This record gives sequence, structure tokens and C-alpha cells, in this order.
Amino acid sequence: KAGVTQTPRYLIKTRGQQVTLSCSPISGHRSVSWYQQTPGQGLQFLFEYFSETQRNKGNFPGRFSGRQFSNSRSEMNVSTLELGDSALYLCASSLAQLTENYGYTFGSGTRLTVV
Amino acid sequence: KNQVEQSPQSLIILEGKNCTLQCNYTVSPFSNLRWYKQDTGRGPVSLTIMTFSENTKSNGRYTATLDADTKQSSLHITASQLSDSASYICVVSPFSGGYNKLIFGAGTRLAVHP
Repeated sequence: KAGVTQTPRYLIKTRGQQVTLSCSPISGHRSVSWYQQTPGQGLQFLFEYFSETQRNKGNFPGRFSGRQFSNSRSEMNVSTLELGDSALYLCASSLAQLTENYGYTFGSGTRLTVV
Repeated sequence: KNQVEQSPQSLIILEGKNCTLQCNYTVSPFSNLRWYKQDTGRGPVSLTIMTFSENTKSNGRYTATLDADTKQSSLHITASQLSDSASYICVVSPFSGGYNKLIFGAGTRLAVHP
């Protein structure tokens, strides 16, 4: 069974540009969460989508947005990129929104470098 | 404020030796605690998950313990191998009524040398 697929794996963008990252969850998983990981900060929660609805959001500026499609695939968009947005962006999928007792599966991430 | 603190920040051990990583949390009430292994440039992979009522959980050479009274967890790695070199992340899930509010520790970076 295929895992969580994130594309692209690597990305280099210039300050001020915008970027879209994609995440395809495990088949049957309906919850997709996005995280930003920077050295020294650990993983920071961006937002979670379930059945095409954003159900929870972390403390990130409005430049960070996302959406989920009917097939559960999710995209994350960052507009007006800043140097500080350079990070590994991870998505995780799980079966359901009630995640306390469900396992997460993370993708391999997209390494974004802003120059 | 809900927090998860891990120690040490980094650790170097020789192949074949054992080691223990620590995780202290202030999250309360909490639903479960997970340990993940993350290889450089890859996504985290789940090692163990324990609910608040469990004391220990093993996965091969990895054994996690949980003391809900002192709010401490540890991950013990037995007979370390070079492939154990990675970051180990402690993650606590608050009992938040169904939403995804995982709280991540900053991780312990483990290097196993031959």
C-alpha cells in the first residue's frame, strides 16, 4: 500500500514568490495535516483538513493557506515568500479526524529553500 | 502552557551500546504519547504510541516507558546500530476533543559511531 506522497521533494524559490506544495495521503485516509520543520524549532503545526474542510489551524500568518480536494489530496500554498520560510514541510495523513487513537503516517517532506 | 521538553539535545554513542532518551511534558490532560524516528531529510516514522494508562511499549530494540504521575517518558535503545543514527521526537496529543493538536518536542539527535 502506497505511503504518503509529497511533491516536489525539493524546491528553490526567490523572496516574494509564491509556492504550492502537494500531498497525497494514504488511500482511505481522510485527514491531512501540514507541519513546518526548521532546525531548532521542531515541527510546528500549520493546519489540518478533513473532508475538504479546514478543521484546525496553527499560529502562522495568512500567507500560509491550504485546501483539500474530494479525493483527500491536499495542497499548501505560501505567498510572498520570506527567507524564514525555508524549511522542511511535512504532511501527515490519518484515517479520521478524531486522531487521539489513530496512527499518523508522515510523508518524506518537501524541502523549500528561499533565496 | 502545554510543552514537551526532550533531553539530551544530542547524543553520541558507540555501536552496540544502549542509550536512553528523555521526554518531559506539561500537557494535561493528554490522550497519548508517541515516539518517532526521523532520518535526515525524511519524514518521521512512528516507533511507539502509548495511552495515558500504559507504562511501557516495545518495538524491537526500542522500548518506551511512561510515568503519567511525573509526566515523564523515556525511549531506551538496546544494542545500538549505525542505522539508529537519527533524530528521535517525542509527541504528546492533548485530550482536545477530537482535533489534531499534537505537541512536538524539539527532538534528540542521536549519532551512533562504529
